[in-house]
Amino acid sequence: DAKTTQPNSMESNEEEPVHLPCNHSTISGTDYIHWYRQLPSQGPEYVIHGLTSNVNNRMASLAIAEDRKSSTLILHRATLRDAAVYYCIQRDTGNQFYFGTGTSLTVIP
Amino acid sequence: KAGVTQTPRYLIKTRGQQVTLSCSPISGHRSVSWYQQTPGQGLQFLFEYFSETQRNKGNFPGRFSGRQFSNSRSEMNVSTLELGDSALYLCASSPDGTNSPLHFGNGTRLTVT
Repeated sequence: DAKTTQPNSMESNEEEPVHLPCNHSTISGTDYIHWYRQLPSQGPEYVIHGLTSNVNNRMASLAIAEDRKSSTLILHRATLRDAAVYYCIQRDTGNQFYFGTGTSLTVIP
Repeated sequence: KAGVTQTPRYLIKTRGQQVTLSCSPISGHRSVSWYQQTPGQGLQFLFEYFSETQRNKGNFPGRFSGRQFSNSRSEMNVSTLELGDSALYLCASSPDGTNSPLHFGNGTRLTVT
C-alpha cells in the first residue's frame, strides 16, 4: 500500500519555480524520502532523496519538514522537459519502495 | 556505462500461458528489483534480488516469481497468466540496494488476451 499522498496534478509556467508537495505521515525515523519522475514510455528516473535535512542537487532541491511528515520537491526553473509524473516514495529499512499515485506536472510555455 | 536493459519491450500472451521477462542491470550493480505498473494500481513492488537471493517480496501471488544469476542478470516469470496481469513491468538496479538510487529500465509491456 502506498504510504505517501500527493496531488494528482499541478501546472507551472515555464521558467518559474515549482513546489511539489508530498505527505508521508507514517514515516519512521529511518525511512528515506525519494523522488523519481517518469516521462511517457520510459521508466522512472531518479531525482533526489533525503532523510532529515534539506538536500540539493543539479536537478532539484528537497525540503523535508522538521517532523518529517511531509516534504516538498522544488524545481527552481521549470522547463518543458520537466513535464512528467513525479513520484514521492517512502523507502523503509526493508528496502521496499512504496510508490504513491504521483503528481502529473504540466509546464505551460 | 550502459543502462538497465529489459527484453523484450513488448509481449502479447494468451490467458493461461506463462511468460519470462529479462533484465540486465548496470554493470557492477548487485541489486535488482521488479515493479508492476498499471493505470489502476500505479507502481507496485514485486520483489528484490541481491547476490542471487530474494531479499524482499511484495504482495503478489505465487504465480509471480523471479531469480537472479551470478552475473546479476535477473528474470521474472509469471505463470498461468490472467487478463489482469497486463501491465508494464519495470526492472531497476542499484549497487547494493541500501538507499542508493534506483536505475530503471524502460520496461516490458505485457498484454494478456
